[in-house]
Amino acid sequence: AQSVAQPEDQVNVAEGNPLTVKCTYSVSGNPYLFWYVQYPNRGLQFLLKYITGDNLVKGSYGFEAEFNKSQTSFHLKKPSALVSDSALYFCAVRDGSGGSYIPTFGRGTSLIVHP
Amino acid sequence: GAGVSQSPRYKVAKRGQDVALRCDPISGHVSLFWYQQALGQGPEFLTYFQNEAQLDKSGLPSDRFFAERPEGSVSTLKIQRTQQEDSAVYLCASSLVSGGTLEQYFGPGTRLTVT
Repeated sequence: AQSVAQPEDQVNVAEGNPLTVKCTYSVSGNPYLFWYVQYPNRGLQFLLKYITGDNLVKGSYGFEAEFNKSQTSFHLKKPSALVSDSALYFCAVRDGSGGSYIPTFGRGTSLIVHP
Repeated sequence: GAGVSQSPRYKVAKRGQDVALRCDPISGHVSLFWYQQALGQGPEFLTYFQNEAQLDKSGLPSDRFFAERPEGSVSTLKIQRTQQEDSAVYLCASSLVSGGTLEQYFGPGTRLTVT
């Protein structure tokens, strides 16, 4: 079985400050990890992914995430937050070893960036 | 280019009515997923198509739910005899190839309200 935990329902940060949205996962094989962002009344948009290789992954809109195998984490980060980053963020995991193509999504974290 | 489109965007159904939700994936995308997203939750897997073949329908909550993709492009999710617990946003996503290392492209969703 695979699972994702996003321990914070909401993250508040001031514009210009660094932000972190946390994600931990559980999977029996090799983790394929994804971050998506959802704006109101819109579908999820892909931000970045980790499949293999460098633990630090860079994605869209200045976001990055660090894969930490020992802590089974894949936290999303950005050095300087923008008000326009305010949205709902979802972490997802898929077992890359077992041939399953079904991702499991976290519950989502609402990011609020204050001016 | 055009993204994933879904119709209708909003659907209100009386309990017991049948509904049909349409998904137009990105042209040429092999993989197509349907998800159900309840309020305050992440997307939950319903079913998966590779071209016209429905490879996994393990997430369909009951035999009232049926999905098809007869020509390997447009897909329809049908819910018979709708119940109040079916109220949710139904998301469709497509991916260029099978396998799952690639990100998914999501449509805007259909918000179904059963009264």
